[in-house]
Amino acid sequence: GAVVSQHPSRVICKSGTSVKIECRSLDFQATTMFWYRQFPKQSLMLMATSNEGSKATYEQGVEKDKFLINHASLTLSTLTVTSAHPEDSSFYICSAGGSKGYGYTFGSGTRLTVV
Amino acid sequence: TQLLEQSPQFLSIQEGENLTVYCNSSSVFSSLQWYRQEPGEGPVLLVTVVTGGEVKKLKRLTFQFGDARKDSSLHITAAQPGDTGLYLCAGLPTGKLIFGQGTTLQVKP
Repeated sequence: GAVVSQHPSRVICKSGTSVKIECRSLDFQATTMFWYRQFPKQSLMLMATSNEGSKATYEQGVEKDKFLINHASLTLSTLTVTSAHPEDSSFYICSAGGSKGYGYTFGSGTRLTVV
Repeated sequence: TQLLEQSPQFLSIQEGENLTVYCNSSSVFSSLQWYRQEPGEGPVLLVTVVTGGEVKKLKRLTFQFGDARKDSSLHITAAQPGDTGLYLCAGLPTGKLIFGQGTTLQVKP
């Protein structure tokens, strides 16, 4: 089945630094990937849609200059949290797939802690 | 405004009990999906329902899609502690996968 690999699984960074999270589709090509953010005991909130070879589309209220998304190839999308602050601490998850509207495969998530 | 309203949001039951989780919307969906997520991991797809009135079974889990394709339910029979987790319904109203609020289920032995 489709596999999506996400790295790192956990990262701790200092305030003001930037963190890059990678999302790779291992056995299929993904022209579109989605990035979500999840707070404890809450559901997944869509942040942005990553489109291969073009600009990402961001959901309302998500700062595109803070959450930089790059989808340079059909198997890799990256999310960079720039100038991170403690309020950016969260669980970030990517997903890909969904051919013909069927189920998406999710990465295992990245727990970001900004200190 | 939540496009997919999921209820209940929290449920704590004893092993062996039955339960039902609901996912409702005022919009029509071409399909709805159910996922299960464990702490620190990404969601895992359980089922996709496509046809109005469709019923799908996955062992002790029964999924139903409403006739009007605006709602869905997940019924678990004889819940086990291993069923504990976050259950999420999801749909693609505009080509982007969005989720309901989720139902945190705890099954006590």
